[in-house]
Amino acid sequence: GAGVSQSPSNKVTEKGKDVELRCDPISGHTALYWYRQSLGQGLEFLIYFQGNSAPDKSGLPSDRFSAERTGGSVSTLTIQRTQQEDSAVYLCASSSGEGLDTQYFGPGTRLTVL
Amino acid sequence: GQNIDQPTEMTATEGAIVQINCTYQTSGFNGLFWYQQHAGEAPTFLSYNVLDGLEEKGRFSSFLSRSKGYSYLLLKELQMKDSASYLCAVRWSNYQLIWGAGTKLIIKP
Repeated sequence: GAGVSQSPSNKVTEKGKDVELRCDPISGHTALYWYRQSLGQGLEFLIYFQGNSAPDKSGLPSDRFSAERTGGSVSTLTIQRTQQEDSAVYLCASSSGEGLDTQYFGPGTRLTVL
Repeated sequence: GQNIDQPTEMTATEGAIVQINCTYQTSGFNGLFWYQQHAGEAPTFLSYNVLDGLEEKGRFSSFLSRSKGYSYLLLKELQMKDSASYLCAVRWSNYQLIWGAGTKLIIKP
């Protein structure tokens, strides 16, 4: 079956522009996570969606970051007025929300802010 | 605070055995995960430990000691394709994981 997909795979933008990153989770997975991965650092939790519950936004680094999940499936992470420190790989993961609840990751979006 | 430590880089020889250690201090514990991540690719699940002891899965084994806040990943009969980063992560709440920075494993022929 299809895994987690993300688009675009690479995004180069100018400082101050807005960007949207998309994640398509595994069909049937109720839980969805966004992480940021910077060189030499562990995955940084950004936001968590579970079914129809209110998302856990506690990891979003500033109010320039927001995310939505429509219809319990596709999610979009939006970064407004991008800064150079936003440059990183943004990873999306989904899980079944039950049992072992292993997270399955997409290939990521590499964001470069010039 | 919450913290996970693992070595930044390790080197091993093809055919040999390597042990990658992970120590953690977290506010809660609901299991420890190991993931493998090849350069430029997504992390992929390797193993999960929630009880003390050794879990074996083919060439890979993972050990956990909750009282010591310690885990290791043991890779046997190393192959060149095992060159990757190995990520240790602890689930400290019902759903949140805290991740180590990863150990880059270099395999030499």
